[in-house]
Amino acid sequence: DAGVTQSPTHLIKTRGQQVTLRCSPKSGHDTVSWYQQALGQGPQFIFQYYEEEERQRGNFPDRFSGHQFPNYSSELNVNALLLGDSALYLCASSPEGARQFFGPGTRLTVL
Amino acid sequence: AQTVTQSQPEMSVQEAETVTLSCTYDTSENNYYLFWYKQPPSRQMILVIRQEAYKQQNATENRFSVNFQKAAKSFSLKISDSQLGDTAMYFCAFMKQLLYQGAQKLVFGQGTRLTINP
Repeated sequence: DAGVTQSPTHLIKTRGQQVTLRCSPKSGHDTVSWYQQALGQGPQFIFQYYEEEERQRGNFPDRFSGHQFPNYSSELNVNALLLGDSALYLCASSPEGARQFFGPGTRLTVL
Repeated sequence: AQTVTQSQPEMSVQEAETVTLSCTYDTSENNYYLFWYKQPPSRQMILVIRQEAYKQQNATENRFSVNFQKAAKSFSLKISDSQLGDTAMYFCAFMKQLLYQGAQKLVFGQGTRLTINP
């Protein structure tokens, strides 16, 4: 049984560009959450998707948007990239219940 | 809003020693979960242990145990017989417990970098 997978592993973009990150949840998990982890910091909650809708959102600007597909996989989109968007982006999936399983993350560098 | 504070940015112990990582949190909720996650250099966030606030008994998982003090809003992690593979960043995290609404967001602390020396 594959765990949570994320792609790509690393990504380099320039300021002003747009980026899409992808996440495939663990089998049987219907909820996907996204977190941003700046270097040396704890992860910060971006948003959560359930049944293809955004169920919760953290304090992130509208430049951050997402989508969940019928197979529960999810995308995180960031528009108009800023240098401060450089971070590790983590995806976590969960069944009904409290435990969240994390993927290996996507390291985004904005130059 | 909930906050989680880890006051020890770094800790270092010798292999086989016991180490305790501290965590305090602030919330007005009565029902919630607390977690310790481990993040090794590979970046994968791994769940170490989980505590439900309504349970008075402290959670244990092999060499890992917690000291949960609900009134003091304290949640420390004890690692016994530490091993080289325990070297990692350790994050304390909080989650509200809402019945029938599935998993809620995790609120993380700033982390403690733990090094186990041979």
